[in-house]
Amino acid sequence: DAGITQSPRHKVTETGTPVTLRCHQTENHRYMYWYRQDPGHGLRLIHYSYGVKDTDKGEVSDGYSVSRSKTEDFLLTLESATSSQTSVYFCAISEGTSNEQFFGPGTRLTVL
Amino acid sequence: AQSVTQLDSHVSVSEGTPVLLRCNYSSSYSPSLFWYVQHPNKGLQLLLKYTSAATLVKGINGFEAEFKKSETSFHLTKPSAHMSDAAEYFCVVSSLKAAGNKLTFGGGTRVLVKP
Repeated sequence: DAGITQSPRHKVTETGTPVTLRCHQTENHRYMYWYRQDPGHGLRLIHYSYGVKDTDKGEVSDGYSVSRSKTEDFLLTLESATSSQTSVYFCAISEGTSNEQFFGPGTRLTVL
Repeated sequence: AQSVTQLDSHVSVSEGTPVLLRCNYSSSYSPSLFWYVQHPNKGLQLLLKYTSAATLVKGINGFEAEFKKSETSFHLTKPSAHMSDAAEYFCVVSSLKAAGNKLTFGGGTRVLVKP
């Protein structure tokens, strides 16, 4: 298995609170991604990073921000969580030379 | 722009019978195509990938998929289903761009295997 960990694995929070999810990799891959998974939608890309301090938006980026200060860590922040952000969040990594992505175990976030 | 349509949201098969999961795609670029599997409460695992080499792609656990450009399809098959194949399957299209490849997922097909 690719060395990808996500923390926390489960979180329950209240509407309006800030939340930060962490993705950590030990593969030294250049590219990192955050997705959310909702029934019937597959996975949808929130943000991605193509290097340290280099990030770009995905298709569902509203309400989310990201940061990548080190190759191995990619943080996803919900500045003010809403109930519509209740979801399972997956981090992924890829080398870039081949375009398959490897996924972390996921974080289940519930916003009450 | 790219998109993926998985034609069946649920498929039910009996153990030992063939499995067919249908996928159609659209892409403005020469696509790479993938099938991923997700077992309950688990992450996603790559089953197989097509990247413009052989059009018949063999993956893990006896799965294979055929790329048909004329039909814009990438259907996944397995000759004989096993109970452990019960999971959700995602067809995925990718376009490799300078700033990193973006994956577009289909909505998923949930497979039920009956004994």
